[in-house]
Amino acid sequence: GDSVTQMEGPVTLSEEAFLTINCTYTATGYPSLFWYVQYPGEGLQLLLKATKADDKGSNKGFEATYRKETTSFHLEKGSVQVSDSAVYFCALKNRNRDDKIIFGKGTRLHILP
Amino acid sequence: DADVTQTPRNRITKTGKRIMLECSQTKGHDRMYWYRQDPGLGLRLIYYSFDVKDINKGEISDGYSVSRQAQAKFSLSLESAIPNQTALYFCATSEDDSYYGYTFGSGTRLTVV
Repeated sequence: GDSVTQMEGPVTLSEEAFLTINCTYTATGYPSLFWYVQYPGEGLQLLLKATKADDKGSNKGFEATYRKETTSFHLEKGSVQVSDSAVYFCALKNRNRDDKIIFGKGTRLHILP
Repeated sequence: DADVTQTPRNRITKTGKRIMLECSQTKGHDRMYWYRQDPGLGLRLIYYSFDVKDINKGEISDGYSVSRQAQAKFSLSLESAIPNQTALYFCATSEDDSYYGYTFGSGTRLTVV
């Protein structure tokens, strides 16, 4: 079945460091890919998405490119801030009737001032 | 008002008690979902509903039941709560298209003692 694997955390970085959170997926067909963010005490919010190969999703300085050849959707940010501290979830949604979102287990990010 | 509202936000209940978690939405979406979140396990799907008459079990439905009272309302019940049902519960909605992600509620933190 479809699945998402993302790097385990926690990831701890200093402010202004470069961030990469790796995400790979297994799916039949051509799923849509998502990154969600969960700030402390809150629900998940959609951060960015890509719906076809080579698409780049971007939002709030974060980017991720849909790489079909490597089945990856790595999240990157050039200069992180303390306010980026949160849990990040990679997810996919396949295009069939039963198109539920499948989530990775989440990566906790700590940014130190 | 939030697009997806969950009540209560926090609840402590005793083992063996019946408890209902409620979710209502103003998005006009047909599809609604219940997830639970546990540390290290990510989000796991409990039940989902594609319309009022279409309710489906997710990967961890044992011990839970749901009711879709209207397009806008989707309730989750624990018939006889047990301690390992202590978790953060999220309701989500989506459009009928794989291009769109989910809109999440803020969650209900349930503790079973």
